[in-house]
Amino acid sequence: EVHLEESGGRLVQPGGSLRLSCAASGFTFGDYSMNWVRQTPGKGLEWISYISSSGSYTHYADSVKGRFTISRDNARDSLSLQMNSLRAEDTAVYFCARESTVGTTAPIFSDYWGQGNLVTVSS
Amino acid sequence: SSELTQPPSVSVSPGQTARITCSGDVLGKKYAYWYQQKPGQAPILIIKKDSERPSGIPERFSGSSSGTTVTLTISGVQAEDEADYYCQSPDISGSSYVFGSGTKVTVL
Repeated sequence: EVHLEESGGRLVQPGGSLRLSCAASGFTFGDYSMNWVRQTPGKGLEWISYISSSGSYTHYADSVKGRFTISRDNARDSLSLQMNSLRAEDTAVYFCARESTVGTTAPIFSDYWGQGNLVTVSS
Repeated sequence: SSELTQPPSVSVSPGQTARITCSGDVLGKKYAYWYQQKPGQAPILIIKKDSERPSGIPERFSGSSSGTTVTLTISGVQAEDEADYYCQSPDISGSSYVFGSGTKVTVL
C-alpha cells in the first residue's frame, strides 16, 4: 500500500526558513517523480514544485521560485522541501504527492497524496 | 499560466445526479483529472485522463469532455459523496499543473 507522510511543519516567523520532509513507503520510490502541493486554510489547491525520479528535473510555481528548493534521497525513500524567506501567504497545509506516470520530466497529475502538514508563517 | 473555472457549489438530493463542470482553454489540449477532498483529508484521485476511473473508485463517478469543458458526473449521489471536488490539468507550458478553484457538493 502506497503511504506518504509529511513532517516538519510548524510556526515560523516571516523571513524564516523551514524544511519539510515526506517519507514514502509501499512503492519503489526511485521510480516515481514527486510533487509538493499546498492548500491555504479554507481555500483551494496550489501546485508548487516537482522533481523527477532521478532528481535531474525540477519545476517550481512562480509564487515560490527562488525561495523554495525541492530535493529527494532515493536511498532513504525521502522527499524534501527547503523553504526560505517565508511570507505570511505561504501559510498552508503542504502535501507531498506521487506523480502517477513513471518516467516523466514534468508534472502531469498525482495519484497518491500524504495527509498534509501545516506550516504557519506569523510573527 | 492556464486557468480552470468551476462553479463554487452544487446541491443535490440523495439518489439524484450531480454534474460539475470545469472550463479552460488548456482543456482543449490537455487531459483533465478530478479529485475528491473531504474536510481534513488528502485529495483522492477519482477520474484521470478526462474519463478513466482508477481502480477502487465507484462506478457512479464518471467524466466526460467536450471542447474546452470537462464534466464530472456523480450518478445516484450518496451522503458520503458530500465533499469538495477539484479539476486539474497540466499547464499549457508543460512545466506545472493547475487546479480549478473547487466545487463544494452538498447532499441535501
